[in-house]
Amino acid sequence: AQSVTQPDIHITVSEGASLELRCNYSYGATPYLFWYVQSPGQGLQLLLKYFSGDTLVQGIKGFEAEFKRSQSSFNLRKPSVHWSDAAEYFCAVGEGEYGNKLVFGAGTILRVKS
Amino acid sequence: NAGVTQTPKFQVLKTGQSMTLQCAQDMNHEYMSWYRQDPGMGLRLIHYSVGAGITDQGEVPNGYNVSRSTTEDFPLRLLSAAPSQTSVYFCASSYGISGVNEQYFGPGTRLTVT
Repeated sequence: AQSVTQPDIHITVSEGASLELRCNYSYGATPYLFWYVQSPGQGLQLLLKYFSGDTLVQGIKGFEAEFKRSQSSFNLRKPSVHWSDAAEYFCAVGEGEYGNKLVFGAGTILRVKS
Repeated sequence: NAGVTQTPKFQVLKTGQSMTLQCAQDMNHEYMSWYRQDPGMGLRLIHYSVGAGITDQGEVPNGYNVSRSTTEDFPLRLLSAAPSQTSVYFCASSYGISGVNEQYFGPGTRLTVT
């Protein structure tokens, strides 16, 4: 079975600073990769996804992620964080024949300080 | 479109009681699934369905039943609630069964079993 590791449980950054959230996965072939964001008390919203092609993918809200096969990583980045970005972020990999069964990491809670 | 709706938002059960968590989507999505979210563990797949009349187990199916009699609805049944089922439950749907299709998540149901 696949697994997803998000090494950082909590991250605190200053507003306006850059952000990188780490994600490592275990999977033999090219995986379906996703980043979701969850605001307190809310459901999950898809930020971006990667299936194939260009390894740098752009998402919503100014986020991007880079797929690095050699490192089995799919790190999420944002050049300048806003206070509204404070939330929990989940990396996920799509498992199964169609890649539709999501395996999630444990999540990283982002705090933004002014 | 209302998207993915879940009822109830909150529920408290006593050990041994049964109940059904409701999930409905109005986007004519083929694929629907149930996840549970526990602190420090991300989301884990309980059951999923690739179309009306077709369901299958995910990572943590024990203690839960599902059925899919219509495209729109995908209820999750707890047969005999246990404290270990205290969790936040999310329903999700997507247009097709391929992982390339974005999954839309409902707002969640917070269940406490005493």
